[in-house]
Amino acid sequence: NAGVMQNPRHLVRRRGQEARLRCSPMKGHSHVYWYRQLPEEGLKFMVYLQKENIIDESGMPKERFSAEFPKEGPSILRIQQVVRGDSAAYFCASSSGQMNTEAFFGQGTRLTVV
Amino acid sequence: AQSVTQLGSHVSVSEGALVLLRCNYSSSVPPYLFWYVQYPNQGLQLLLKYTSAATLVKGINGFEAEFKKSETSFHLTKPSAHMSDAAEYFCAVRRGGATNKLIFGTGTLLAVQP
Repeated sequence: NAGVMQNPRHLVRRRGQEARLRCSPMKGHSHVYWYRQLPEEGLKFMVYLQKENIIDESGMPKERFSAEFPKEGPSILRIQQVVRGDSAAYFCASSSGQMNTEAFFGQGTRLTVV
Repeated sequence: AQSVTQLGSHVSVSEGALVLLRCNYSSSVPPYLFWYVQYPNQGLQLLLKYTSAATLVKGINGFEAEFKKSETSFHLTKPSAHMSDAAEYFCAVRRGGATNKLIFGTGTLLAVQP
């Protein structure tokens, strides 16, 4: 049973380009969460999605960031017109949605904006 | 709102010594609490979770945590540190309702000295 798969593991983008981060949840999981990790800041919640629905996007920056989880295929976190401050590790997690179950994390995508 | 506070961003212990990592939560309802570990350049791995069953929870790698409602704490302990325990540790609380997201503390970096 494959775990949460994120790709790419490392992504380098120039300022102004677009970054697309992909996340395939564990088999049987229909809930996906995206987190951003900056040094010394822990993990910050960005967005929570279920298939075809955004449930909570309270942690998403108002501009340039978007997320989707289509009926078929992986969840995508999209960052348009990247800036240096977007450089961070982005983690995806998935769960079954039950309150007493944990979320399983992917290995993360490390985005570097040059 | 639910949140967690981890006291001590850096903890250093000697090999064989007791490990104690502190986590306090705030929650208006009985929480679901989790401890995760993150090794360098890796994703997060679940150590243990509290889901309102036993207050003393045993996890992987010899770690355990005790839920103390009177102190709103969920400290992580291990009787004898091993070099391989050096990592960053995150406490998290599950926020219920429609959002169902995990809220993380800022993390504690554990160093183990030989």
